[in-house]
Amino acid sequence: NAGVTQTPKFQVLKTGQSMTLQCAQDMNHEYMSWYRQDPGMGLRLIHYSVGAGITDQGEVPNGYNVSRSTTEDFPLRLLSAAPSQTSVYFCASSPTSGRAKEQFFGPGTRLTVL
Amino acid sequence: GQSLEQPSEVTAVEGAIVQINCTYQTSGFYGLSWYQQHDGGAPTFLSYNGLDGLEETGRFSSFLSRSDSYGYLLLQELQMKDSASYFCAVRAGSSNTGKLIFGQGTTLQVKP
Repeated sequence: NAGVTQTPKFQVLKTGQSMTLQCAQDMNHEYMSWYRQDPGMGLRLIHYSVGAGITDQGEVPNGYNVSRSTTEDFPLRLLSAAPSQTSVYFCASSPTSGRAKEQFFGPGTRLTVL
Repeated sequence: GQSLEQPSEVTAVEGAIVQINCTYQTSGFYGLSWYQQHDGGAPTFLSYNGLDGLEETGRFSSFLSRSDSYGYLLLQELQMKDSASYFCAVRAGSSNTGKLIFGQGTTLQVKP
């Protein structure tokens, strides 16, 4: 199993550009989520999903869109990038039963908005 | 809303024991988890408490008191490789598939 994969690893954008951060998992997990982590800070939840076709907002959803058309994929879209969105973005997944307590994280995408 | 509080930094020497506390306020509660993150890396799961009491996993233990909205992570026989950030997290909301919210993290520095 590859686990949780994220692409790209690094990205530089200009203010106003849009882009999609990709996240995929091959563990058949129902629950997937996106976090951002600013330097020296904790992880803040952007959006999450409990299954295909179901998404909900987290703590800091503004400026981001998500969709979940398959169990495996959970892309995060930045609609119009702003310097305040410079951060490290982590995608995570977990089952919703059994080992639901353990969340698996991807390696992260380091995004800089100029 | 939800909030979690933990100390920002802790320093200890190799071989010692250190405790990292976490207090939380949340609407709905479905367990307290702990994650470790080394510089530049992804968080990795350490421990989970769904019920009151102590859970032990090797050198790491975690404790929960739901009546006090409080938990802690205990690290024993500290090693240099334990230098990392440690995050507590609660699953909050109306079900056990609710959102997982993280604290700000505690940076642990282990000195020789």
